[in-house]
Amino acid sequence: DAGVTQSPTHLIKTRGQQVTLRCSPKSGHDTVSWYQQALGQGPQFIFQYYEEEERQRGNFPDRFSGHQFPNYSSELNVNALLLGDSALYLCASSLVAGEKLFFGSGTQLSVL
Amino acid sequence: GDSVTQMEGPVTLSEEAFLTINCTYTATGYPSLFWYVQYPGEGLQLLLKATKADDKGSNKGFEATYRKETTSFHLEKGSVQVSDSAVYFCALILNDYKLSFGAGTTVTVRA
Repeated sequence: DAGVTQSPTHLIKTRGQQVTLRCSPKSGHDTVSWYQQALGQGPQFIFQYYEEEERQRGNFPDRFSGHQFPNYSSELNVNALLLGDSALYLCASSLVAGEKLFFGSGTQLSVL
Repeated sequence: GDSVTQMEGPVTLSEEAFLTINCTYTATGYPSLFWYVQYPGEGLQLLLKATKADDKGSNKGFEATYRKETTSFHLEKGSVQVSDSAVYFCALILNDYKLSFGAGTTVTVRA
């Protein structure tokens, strides 16, 4: 059983560009959450998707958007990239009523 | 808002030493509490959890007790190994299922 998979593992972009990160949840999980982990910091909650809708959102600007597909996989999109968006982006999946989150290994985004 | 404060690192220990990482929390309700571990180059893994006051979570020799009176969830291990070198995160979750993490504590164990 594959766990949470994320792609790509590394990405380099320049300021002003747009990026799309992808996540496939653990088998049987229907809820996907995204976190941003800056270097030396704890992960910060971006948003959570369930039934293809954004259910909760953290303190991130509208440049950060997402999508969930019928197969529960998810995308994170970031527009107009800033240097400060450089971070490890983590995807976590869970059952809707559960608390146990399973994390992927993350996508390391570098904005130059 | 809900938040977690954990002791700053880095922490460097010798093998077989005793490890304690302090964690305190602020929450409007009664959260569940977690310790996650991040090994070099890997994603976050759940180490242990506790869902109510006085619960003790344990795994791989690590323990933490949910102390409501002191709003704490300190992580302990009696005898660390080199393989325990990692970054440890304390976290809480309330009814909204959004994890709030501390800043992390880097632990290095030397042989």
